Amino acid sequence: GAVVSQHPSWVICKSGTSVKIECRSLDFQATTMFWYRQFPKQSLMLMATSNEGSKATYEQGVEKDKFLINHASLTLSTLTVTSAHPEDSSFYICSAGDVRADTQYFGPGTRLTVL
Amino acid sequence: DAKTTQPNSMESNEEEPVHLPCNHSTISGTDYIHWYRQLPSQGPEYVIHGLTSNVNNRMASLAIAEDRKSSTLILHRATLRDAAVYYCILRDVNSGNTPLVFGKGTRLSVIA
Repeated sequence: GAVVSQHPSWVICKSGTSVKIECRSLDFQATTMFWYRQFPKQSLMLMATSNEGSKATYEQGVEKDKFLINHASLTLSTLTVTSAHPEDSSFYICSAGDVRADTQYFGPGTRLTVL
Repeated sequence: DAKTTQPNSMESNEEEPVHLPCNHSTISGTDYIHWYRQLPSQGPEYVIHGLTSNVNNRMASLAIAEDRKSSTLILHRATLRDAAVYYCILRDVNSGNTPLVFGKGTRLSVIA
């Protein structure tokens, strides 16, 4: 099956710093990618839809100036958590859809810990 | 996407079959039934999907009720590596490239 990678797999940062997470589709082109956040013992919550070559679409309650999304190519989307705070500590997961198979492929996730 | 209802948790003995139920009484005629699972500390992975007929693949089987208001994911022989949260999700055939919406899923524990 198709593979989606994420980097880094985990990151620890100080409060106030910015962290960039990369999401790559390795063997198919993805005009659209999705970013989710998951807190412990909870389900995945959609944060935003990343569109190649255009602005991302954010879900209600997600600050677009805090969670910057860039989708500069058909295989790469990045999520930058700006001015991170401890409450941003979470498991961030991206996904990309293979329309041909009507299947979503998920990255392995990035665990962010903000001290 | 239409709503699904799953038990919060289930337990199974290793090497025994597991039947994970999902109720979707408001399913529409164009909704596919998808199952994904999330292993600990990993992203979700696709398991199986179907529309009306039962489906089999190397990971599992999907049994769909005749009225389509419920379905059952069947793991024929549970292993410790099958311990995960299993999500039943309805997606309209015309969803295109839209995101999956996750409910709470069923947390499956497998006992050695």
